[in-house]
Amino acid sequence: DAGVIQSPRHEVTEMGQEVTLRCKPISGHDYLFWYRQTMMRGLELLIYFNNNVPIDDSGMPEDRFSAKMPNASFSTLKIQPSEPRDSAVYFCASSPDEPDTGELFFGEGSRLTVL
Amino acid sequence: KQEVTQIPAALSVPEGENLVLNCSFTDSAIYNLQWFRQDPGKGLTSLLLIQSSQREQTSGRLNASLDKSSGRSTLYIAASQPGDSATYLCAQGRRNSGYALNFGKGTSLLVTP
Repeated sequence: DAGVIQSPRHEVTEMGQEVTLRCKPISGHDYLFWYRQTMMRGLELLIYFNNNVPIDDSGMPEDRFSAKMPNASFSTLKIQPSEPRDSAVYFCASSPDEPDTGELFFGEGSRLTVL
Repeated sequence: KQEVTQIPAALSVPEGENLVLNCSFTDSAIYNLQWFRQDPGKGLTSLLLIQSSQREQTSGRLNASLDKSSGRSTLYIAASQPGDSATYLCAQGRRNSGYALNFGKGTSLLVTP
């Protein structure tokens, strides 16, 4: 398996622009997670899905952030409008629905810079 | 929010030394405890996962332990090598949170030749 695939790897945009980050989880994994990593706050969970349904979005910082999972093989995280404080590395991760393991598999991240 | 704390934040050791990285957590409703490795500019790679019913896990030169009563986990690296240089993060899985993890900020390890 190719692992969790994220795109783009790097994104530089100007304040106010819309940003869309994409993720393809590992086939057969029923859980998908979006995390954000900054120097100040470390890794923070933004939202996660189970079988394409959003379960917990309490980590989404504000209404400018939205996430969708239209099918089992694709998810997006959108920021509209973007602000400089959104600059971070955004990670997508997936996990199989196996209570005995619960292991997370991460993508390589999308590094976002908002000028 | 329940806290996961890692000490030290940074560590430098000469090659060949055995070392211990520490992780403490405040939420007693632990589901599992995972240790990850992160190389600069890269994603996270899972190293070891300890279920709440287990006390330790081993993989090669790595050994992770879990003490729920004290809220602590340690990652032991034997005979360290320069290739072990990376940031090591521990993360707590909590019950009733799916598999969502609560991460520490990591320990940055440098192993010098």
